[in-house]
Amino acid sequence: NAGVTQTPKFRILKIGQSMTLQCTQDMNHNYMYWYRQDPGMGLKLIYYSVGAGITDKGEVPNGYNVSRSTTEDFPLRLELAAPSQTSVYFCASSNAGTVDTGELFFGEGSRLTVL
Amino acid sequence: QKEVEQNSGPLSVPEGAIASLNCTYSDRGSQSFFWYRQYSGKSPELIMFIYSNGDKEDGRFTAQLNKASQYVSLLIRDSQPSDSATYLCAVNLLLTFGTGTSLTVIP
Repeated sequence: NAGVTQTPKFRILKIGQSMTLQCTQDMNHNYMYWYRQDPGMGLKLIYYSVGAGITDKGEVPNGYNVSRSTTEDFPLRLELAAPSQTSVYFCASSNAGTVDTGELFFGEGSRLTVL
Repeated sequence: QKEVEQNSGPLSVPEGAIASLNCTYSDRGSQSFFWYRQYSGKSPELIMFIYSNGDKEDGRFTAQLNKASQYVSLLIRDSQPSDSATYLCAVNLLLTFGTGTSLTVIP
């Protein structure tokens, strides 16, 4: 049982490049989330999904896109990378049984640098 | 803009002391409150959640909620060096996070 797996762990992009951060969970959780964390800051919600085929914007969605074609996968797409997107990205999941407790299961994070 | 405010610290306490971490929130309609711990370079992990006014205890940790004053706090009794981390306050089920308070427990 791997939990939440994110790839890649580190990536350097040039301005204007595109990339996809992959996120997979094997816990059959309905809810999945993408957060970003800037240095010395808390986490900000980018997008979330309550089930396959359903996604919604969070607090800071501009510059990102997501899709949820399966329960397991929730990739985050950056279309035109900008220096402001330099951050650590966390994918997380939860299920209906734990969402009320706030217990999110986080991946290890993906550190993205845009130069 | 719904906000969650925390003193970023750093907060230093000696081993065995009580560490007190505070959080205020702006949305008076908030119903659920969470404390996460994040070790340096790691992902956050849930410590406690609280919904009702008053105290909730779990081992060395006590969460305190005062909805009228819009604050939630976390007390760590008998602080240990392994408690050294950043503590994130989060509000509501989509988890609006504060910026976190860095705690160092000095042996």
